[in-house]
Amino acid sequence: KQEVTQIPAALSVPEGENLVLNCSFTDSAIYNLQWFRQDPGKGLTSLLLIQSSQREQTSGRLNASLDKSSGRSTLYIAASQPGDSATYLCAVFGSSNTGKLIFGQGTTLQVKP
Amino acid sequence: EAGVTQFPSHSVIEKGQTVTLRCDPISGHDNLYWYRRVMGKEIKFLLHFVKESKQDESGMPNNRFLAERTGGTYSTLKVQPAELEDSGVYFCASSRHWAGHTDTQYFGPGTRLTVL
Repeated sequence: KQEVTQIPAALSVPEGENLVLNCSFTDSAIYNLQWFRQDPGKGLTSLLLIQSSQREQTSGRLNASLDKSSGRSTLYIAASQPGDSATYLCAVFGSSNTGKLIFGQGTTLQVKP
Repeated sequence: EAGVTQFPSHSVIEKGQTVTLRCDPISGHDNLYWYRRVMGKEIKFLLHFVKESKQDESGMPNNRFLAERTGGTYSTLKVQPAELEDSGVYFCASSRHWAGHTDTQYFGPGTRLTVL
């Protein structure tokens, strides 16, 4: 059974710092992996989707990597800003036959001015 | 392009009552998904529609939950009768192509359901 873990559960950093959020999964036989952010009381905003054949995906100040063999993905945020404060969620697609996403519990990030 | 919309945003009902949640996916999206988050837990999958057909309903908790997607457009999720443990936030998501099950999913703002 696929399980997704995100550590740490919460993180507080000063503005301007580069940071890495971690996501691990127990079964390396995943398809794609998607990173989201969620602001309090809001829905999920898709940040990046990494296909299973990719190692990296970049969007602006965000860079996501995927290492299937070790069961890990990281989300790198460069030059963090207070507006980056949110909960970041990672989710894996466990099968090509269904769009079922399996989520981690998320990392809540606070960027202090 | 309008995003995924959900109605209502909040619902408070008493145990034993019926509630119907609605989701309108992004126009033209074949795939529609329901998820929920109960207090303190991770978001969990409920089911997946491809157009009007149920592709995967493995996450539906029990037969008190009924999802429909008539005509392959909007979807409803009915809970009847509601129990206390059904409280949580129900999210809907959609993705574009019927064959692209592992494509980017776009989420709605969620419906917060409270059962008293």
